[in-house]
Amino acid sequence: AAGVIQSPRHLIKEKRETATLKCYPIPRHDTVYWYQQGPGQDPQFLISFYEKMQSDKGSIPDRFSAQQFSDYHSELNMSSLELGDSALYFCASSAGTGVYEQYFGPGTRLTVT
Amino acid sequence: AQTVTQSQPEMSVQEAETVTLSCTYDTSESDYYLFWYKQPPSRQMILVIRQEAYKQQNATENRFSVNFQKAAKSFSLKISDSQLGDAAMYFCAYRSYSGAGSYQLTFGKGTKLSVIP
Repeated sequence: AAGVIQSPRHLIKEKRETATLKCYPIPRHDTVYWYQQGPGQDPQFLISFYEKMQSDKGSIPDRFSAQQFSDYHSELNMSSLELGDSALYFCASSAGTGVYEQYFGPGTRLTVT
Repeated sequence: AQTVTQSQPEMSVQEAETVTLSCTYDTSESDYYLFWYKQPPSRQMILVIRQEAYKQQNATENRFSVNFQKAAKSFSLKISDSQLGDAAMYFCAYRSYSGAGSYQLTFGKGTKLSVIP
């Protein structure tokens, strides 16, 4: 079965640079969630989209922005990167807004040096 | 805001034995969902089992089952016949309804499970 695809899998950036993370949800899934997992931490919700509209916002810094496109893929844009942004970034998708589970992608490991 | 607490940072179990991981949560909602996710060393987040709060029957998926006590706000995971591949970090998660089309997950801090051969 198709899974959530995230690219790139690994990314190394320097402080103050910009990064773009991409997420391709499972086919026919219309809801995308972004989570950030720091070293030794639990995942923290950043932002979500339903039918290409932002549906909720968590602890996402103002330096970050995201959007969902017409084909339902999503991109997380991160600017003015800081050392503390080094983390594993997960995208998850679900089908609709009912009781459907969130299926996670493999994550993008971002390292800021 | 909802909170999820996993009071056991680490646990270990002998292969083929049974282990129970604990989770408690705090919420004022009456309808919600609870999940257990497994995160092996690959860091992939894998859904293990889910429980709907309105269901009294405990969920079961093969060797994995839950003990859901709604009044006590407790949601423990039992792993039977433990296998080496069960070694992972286990996260308990609560799903909020926080707006139109959003069901963000709130995670506990996780329990690291080791399986001893």
